[in-house]
Order: sequence, then C-alpha cells, then structure tokens
Amino acid sequence: EAGVAQSPRYKIIEKRQSVAFWCNPISGHATLYWYQQILGQGPKLLIQFQNNGVVDDSQLPKDRFSAERLKGVDSTLKIQPAKLEDSAVYLCASSFSNRDEQYFGPGTRLTVT
Amino acid sequence: GENVEQHPSTLSVQEGDSAVIKCTYSDSASNYFPWYKQELGKRPQLIIDIRSNVGEKKDQRIAVTLNKTAKHFSLHITETQPEDSAVYFCAATSSGSARQLTFGSGTQLTVLP
Repeated sequence: EAGVAQSPRYKIIEKRQSVAFWCNPISGHATLYWYQQILGQGPKLLIQFQNNGVVDDSQLPKDRFSAERLKGVDSTLKIQPAKLEDSAVYLCASSFSNRDEQYFGPGTRLTVT
Repeated sequence: GENVEQHPSTLSVQEGDSAVIKCTYSDSASNYFPWYKQELGKRPQLIIDIRSNVGEKKDQRIAVTLNKTAKHFSLHITETQPEDSAVYFCAATSSGSARQLTFGSGTQLTVLP
C-alpha cells in the first residue's frame, strides 16, 4: 500500500511569513496526526483528527497555527506568521483508528530565517 | 498529561554486543508502549510495541520489557549490527479517549564495526 505522503519536503521562509504543509494519509485511515519534531527531540503532537473532526489540539499554538481536514482525507497545516522557533520537521502520521499503529510520512523540514 | 523520560541520550556499542535503552512514564493508566527507529533524515518507523497486559515481547533480535509497577519499559537489542545505528524513540499512549502518543527525547545508538 502507498505510504503517507507529504509536501513540500523542504521549505525555507523568513520570519513573519506564512507557510502551508500538505498531508495525504494512507487510504482508509480515519485518524490523522500532525507532529512537530525539533532537532534532537522526539515528535510532539500538535493536532489529531478523527475523520474530519478534531480530537485533540491542546498543544497547537492556535494564535499562529491552524489545521484542517475538511473531507476527512487530506489535511493541511498552516503557520501564520512564522517565528524562528518554528524551525523543525513537521511530520504527518495516520492510523486506521486511534488504537492502531501510526504510520509516519517523510516530513517537511521547515527553516525560518 | 503524560511525561516520558528516555535514557541514555547517546549509546555506543561494539558490533555484536547488546544495547539497552530505558524509558519511564508518569501516567499509570498508559497502556500502549511503542518503540520507533528513525534513521538520519528519514521517517520514524515502528519496530516493536507492547501493551500493558504483557510483561515482555520479543521479535528476533529485539525485545521490550515492561514493568507497570515501576512505570518503566526498556528496549533490548542483541547481536547489534551497523545497520542498527539510528535514533530510537520510546513512546507511551495516554489513557484519554484521544490516545495520544507522548514520545521520549530519543537515544542515538551507534554500532561500531
């Protein structure tokens, strides 16, 4: 089966600019996750979707980050405006249900200058 | 929320020796503990997991042990090979309905030939 797809793979922007990331989960996976992985750290969950509904976004900095999964399939994560500390790899993961193994995408490496 | 601590942060072993990575968690209701391997620039991949109703699980050269009373779990890799070199992350699932994964900070394992 095809894996989790993400784009772009790399993005460099200046602080205060905006950026958007896209994720296409594995077909049939109802649960979708966005993680932020800062260099040298483990992934930190930003938001979790179940189909097109948000299950948990308690760690999402809502003043600048937003995410949607309108049709319950693809998802986008947006940052506006970006800060230097947002430099990280943004990983998307999906699972058949929230009780199943999570499969990660290749990530988007964001550099904010 | 859940807090996962992982030790050591770096580990070097000679090829053929064993490697052990340890994690502790804070939420006594956590019941699922996966381990992920992340090679440089690549996505995290699940290598083994254990649920709270089991004390030990083994898959070829990899084993995981869980001590629920002490709230710690460990990854054991025997007969290490150079291709085992990577960053390893432990994680624990929270007890809430969202079943979020909280990751440890990672262990950089280097297997010396």
